[in-house]
Amino acid sequence: ETGVTQSPTHLIKTRGQQVTLRCSSQSGHNTVSWYQQALGQGPQFIFQYYREEENGRGNFPPRFSGLQFPNYSSELNVNALELDDSALYLCASSTGQNYGYTFGSGTRLTVV
Amino acid sequence: RKEVEQDPGPFNVPEGATVAFNCTYSNSASQSFFWYRQDCRKEPKLLMSVYSSGNEDGRFTAQLNRASQYISLLIRDSKLSDSATYLCVVNVSGGGADGLTFGKGTHLIIQP
Repeated sequence: ETGVTQSPTHLIKTRGQQVTLRCSSQSGHNTVSWYQQALGQGPQFIFQYYREEENGRGNFPPRFSGLQFPNYSSELNVNALELDDSALYLCASSTGQNYGYTFGSGTRLTVV
Repeated sequence: RKEVEQDPGPFNVPEGATVAFNCTYSNSASQSFFWYRQDCRKEPKLLMSVYSSGNEDGRFTAQLNRASQYISLLIRDSKLSDSATYLCVVNVSGGGADGLTFGKGTHLIIQP
């Protein structure tokens, strides 16, 4: 059974650019959620996808968008990058029930 | 008021000692509760779910008090490898559509 995998592991982008981060969910998990973790903070919920539909969103602007594919993998897209977008972006998958989520190792994004 | 509050520490504890963390949550409708462990620059990993009846996993005991809206974690016979940040996590909605709400974490340092 494979866990949650994310790519790339590190990324440096310039302010104003766009970025796409990718996530493959754990086998058997149909729910994927994305989190942003700034240094010294707990992860903050961005949004969640269940069976290819967004079914929950945190307090993030529309320039944060996503997709989930039929194989339950997912993408996070961020447009018009700002310096404050620099963070660790974590993908988590689950079965959608009240069980714990499994996190990927994250993508560390630096915006310069 | 923050949704999930934890004492950030650091807690400096000698090896072999017992240490306890608490956290409080603000949303009385919260449905599921977890403790996650996060090592430096790594992803959060599920330590244990937390139930009202209390649950134990080896040296770790978690307890939920719904009336007071607080969650506790007790670590007995602490090991050097227990050094990490412990994240208190709440899931408000059953299907997870509100995502997981994390505290900022409590930093634990076990000293030899």
